[in-house]
Amino acid sequence: LAKTTQPISMDSYEGQEVNITCSHNNIATNDYITWYQQFPSQGPRFIIQGYKTKVTNEVASLFIPADRKSSTLSLPRVSLSDTAVYYCLVVDSNTGKLIFGQGTTLQVKP
Amino acid sequence: KAGVTQTPRYLIKTRGQQVTLSCSPISGHRSVSWYQQTPGQGLQFLFEYFSETQRNKGNFPGRFSGRQFSNSRSEMNVSTLELGDSALYLCASSSLFGLAGLYNEQFFGPGTRLTVL
Repeated sequence: LAKTTQPISMDSYEGQEVNITCSHNNIATNDYITWYQQFPSQGPRFIIQGYKTKVTNEVASLFIPADRKSSTLSLPRVSLSDTAVYYCLVVDSNTGKLIFGQGTTLQVKP
Repeated sequence: KAGVTQTPRYLIKTRGQQVTLSCSPISGHRSVSWYQQTPGQGLQFLFEYFSETQRNKGNFPGRFSGRQFSNSRSEMNVSTLELGDSALYLCASSSLFGLAGLYNEQFFGPGTRLTVL
């Protein structure tokens, strides 16, 4: 089964760029890598999705190397409201099951 | 457009009982997935339904079951509750069936907090 590894927690200050990396193996070769954000007492919220190289949207960038064994979520100029838990999500190559990372708790300080 | 709704939001049960949770997807979405979230195990995939058919299932015992109706609403049932079933149960919907092809963005509901005493 695919295995994912994320840092458990990260601290940052307002205005800084934050990079969160998820390591993953045995992921489906033809499926996307997805990142979600979750605030307390809410369900996860989609941030960004990519297959390879770099994807950018209005809130984040996602970097995926050619071997797709990791992915890095980049949040530019974080604010206090970015304090949340961030999850990577991959698809297992053998079973097609969805595998969430354990989540990275990002604490943004003023 | 209304988001994913889940009922009830909170539930307290005792060991051995059974429980049914309900999920109404976003209008037009035909795929519904269920997840269990606990502090120890994180987010774990339970199952996904598309057009009333279960398309994929996570590694949970048979006590966990679900179904989807013709209007895409879904229910999840847990029988013979155990203390370890205490968790936040999340439902997510998407417009496309993801597991037969590319994973598609899912929209999550607020969850049902189940406490088993």
